[in-house]
Amino acid sequence: DAKTTQPPSMDCAEGRAANLPCNHSTISGNEYVYWYRQIHSQGPQYIIHGLKNNETNEMASLIITEDRKSSTLILPHATLRDTAVYYCIVRANSNYQLIWGAGTKLIIKP
Amino acid sequence: NAGVTQTPKFRILKIGQSMTLQCAQDMNHNYMYWYRQDPGMGLKLIYYSVGAGITDKGEVPNGYNVSRSTTEDFPLRLELAAPSQTSVYFCASRPPGASTDTQYFGPGTRLTVL
Repeated sequence: DAKTTQPPSMDCAEGRAANLPCNHSTISGNEYVYWYRQIHSQGPQYIIHGLKNNETNEMASLIITEDRKSSTLILPHATLRDTAVYYCIVRANSNYQLIWGAGTKLIIKP
Repeated sequence: NAGVTQTPKFRILKIGQSMTLQCAQDMNHNYMYWYRQDPGMGLKLIYYSVGAGITDKGEVPNGYNVSRSTTEDFPLRLELAAPSQTSVYFCASRPPGASTDTQYFGPGTRLTVL
């Protein structure tokens, strides 16, 4: 069973910031939050991950609430190429246990 | 680096046939994974491997087998194909080190069983 809850779909205007929420209320202390995305018909692509602190890389920013029960992925200046399904995943430090939910389908509109 | 490669890209099987999905990576990653993805759903783990000679079951292993004789290759075998195995199959790899789980995915194999 998926351990995260995401809205099934969202729209965002091109050039604006896209904010994708994720609830993970049962997250435990050693579980990381990962974000991947999947552009239509392609393999998933890693975006970013975090444990407690906010994180930023060249693709996105990850904001994790202080109680760690939710997080937000921010794409600062969305482009049409950011249209994809975005997956929020929580994982303990183990070999394989990535539990994938249905994700959020993000549509960037011109 | 070619990254993670998968062959074939598409395949149609008849019920009861068998086939092997090929996966290779040239990044010297020790962890490798096989997932399946049904329409509109997230990925489900079939099998994984932490290194050559070591494999283990994931969430949905029934009907599949794997082997890992080399670091580079991780083939997935379907015996007696069934319509329920119609899906898109993704192979992934991950570099050594347990502190992160940044997986690199192949382009997928779209399998139809009729």
